[in-house]
Amino acid sequence: DAGVIQSPRHEVTEMGQEVTLRCKPISGHDYLFWYRQTMMRGLELLIYFNNNVPIDDSGMPEDRFSAKMPNASFSTLKIQPSEPRDSAVYFCASNQGHNTEAFFGQGTRLTVV
Amino acid sequence: AQKVTQAQTEISVVEKEDVTLDCVYETRDTTYYLFWYKQPPSGELVFLIRRNSFDEQNEISGRYSWNFQKSTSSFNFTITASQVVDSAVYFCALSEAEAAGNKLTFGGGTRVLVKP
Repeated sequence: DAGVIQSPRHEVTEMGQEVTLRCKPISGHDYLFWYRQTMMRGLELLIYFNNNVPIDDSGMPEDRFSAKMPNASFSTLKIQPSEPRDSAVYFCASNQGHNTEAFFGQGTRLTVV
Repeated sequence: AQKVTQAQTEISVVEKEDVTLDCVYETRDTTYYLFWYKQPPSGELVFLIRRNSFDEQNEISGRYSWNFQKSTSSFNFTITASQVVDSAVYFCALSEAEAAGNKLTFGGGTRVLVKP
């Protein structure tokens, strides 16, 4: 298996623009997570899905952030409009079953200027 | 609420020295899971180990070993005979089985620098 695949790896955008991050989880995994990593806040969970259904989105910072999982093999995290404080590395992770180890993608480094 | 504390922000050692990374956690659940992840300079997060709260046996995997002590709420990680390739940021994480679903709460990470 190729592991969790995220795209793009790097994204530079101007403030106010819409940004869409993409994730393909490992086949057969039923949980998908979006995390954000910053120097100030470390690794924090934004949202997670179970069987394509959002379970907990309490970590989503504000209404500018939205996430979807239209099927078992694809998820998106959208920021609209983007702001400089959204600059971070965004990780997608997936796992199979409850409380098992999560496997992470390589992350998307987002820079909003 | 669950919390993970890694008090050491950075550790610097010379190659072949042993290094121990501390992890202290807080949880109200009786069933929980502890993890260690490695983040090398390339940036990805690599899974190292998962331990459930009912298994206090220490574990060894090559040069890596883990010491889980429920009495002190600690899950420490030791690298024996460190190598330059061990240079990375190491994260301890906690998942509560009952209260918080399947999500991980991470500690702040410990940066390990192994000098040749």
